[in-house]
Amino acid sequence: EDQVTQSPEALRLQEGESSSLNCSYTVSGLRGLFWYRQDPGKGPEFLFTLYSAGEEKEKERLKATLTKKESFLHITAPKPEDSATYLCAVQYNNNDMRFGAGTRLTVKP
Amino acid sequence: NAGVTQTPKFRVLKTGQSMTLLCAQDMNHEYMYWYRQDPGMGLRLIHYSVGEGTTAKGEVPDGYNVSRLKKQNFLLGLESAAPSQTSVYFCASTTGPLPLNTEAFFGQGTRLTVV
Repeated sequence: EDQVTQSPEALRLQEGESSSLNCSYTVSGLRGLFWYRQDPGKGPEFLFTLYSAGEEKEKERLKATLTKKESFLHITAPKPEDSATYLCAVQYNNNDMRFGAGTRLTVKP
Repeated sequence: NAGVTQTPKFRVLKTGQSMTLLCAQDMNHEYMYWYRQDPGMGLRLIHYSVGEGTTAKGEVPDGYNVSRLKKQNFLLGLESAAPSQTSVYFCASTTGPLPLNTEAFFGQGTRLTVV
């Protein structure tokens, strides 16, 4: 069965403490992998799309990478405003994005 | 600059009641989607539409119906609400088929409780 698994479920960091979030997938025929940010009480906000293994994309303190089985979202020197839930989604056939359950990130000042 | 707007934002229903959730987008997007989000399960696709007058089933369509009579609106209906439909519902839209350099724009969500 096609699955998208995110780890850890929750992550607490001190401001400036870099770390990575993981998204592993077992879908076949990957067409795209997406990262979204979701703040409490709001809808997801698009961050990145990755299409093939080896691809990397950056936005401010965030960098997303992709291998054949997983993606990482690296957060460099995070700030409290980076606190949010980060969602990974995979598209493997039609227009269905399959989402992981998310990683809840808290950055303490 | 509204983007994707969902109505209502909150609703409490009794078991067996019906309701319609409205999603409106002002970006002239062709594709629209309805997701539900439950704790620990991530977002799951209910139904989607690839254009005015078209609809298709997603991962969890049972108990829901949809209609896309106008390009800018996508309606999600619950004919006979059940407690298992308690969830947060999100609407999204894209310019075209994923993933072709296309990001999905999401609404703010509708929190539905069925008692």
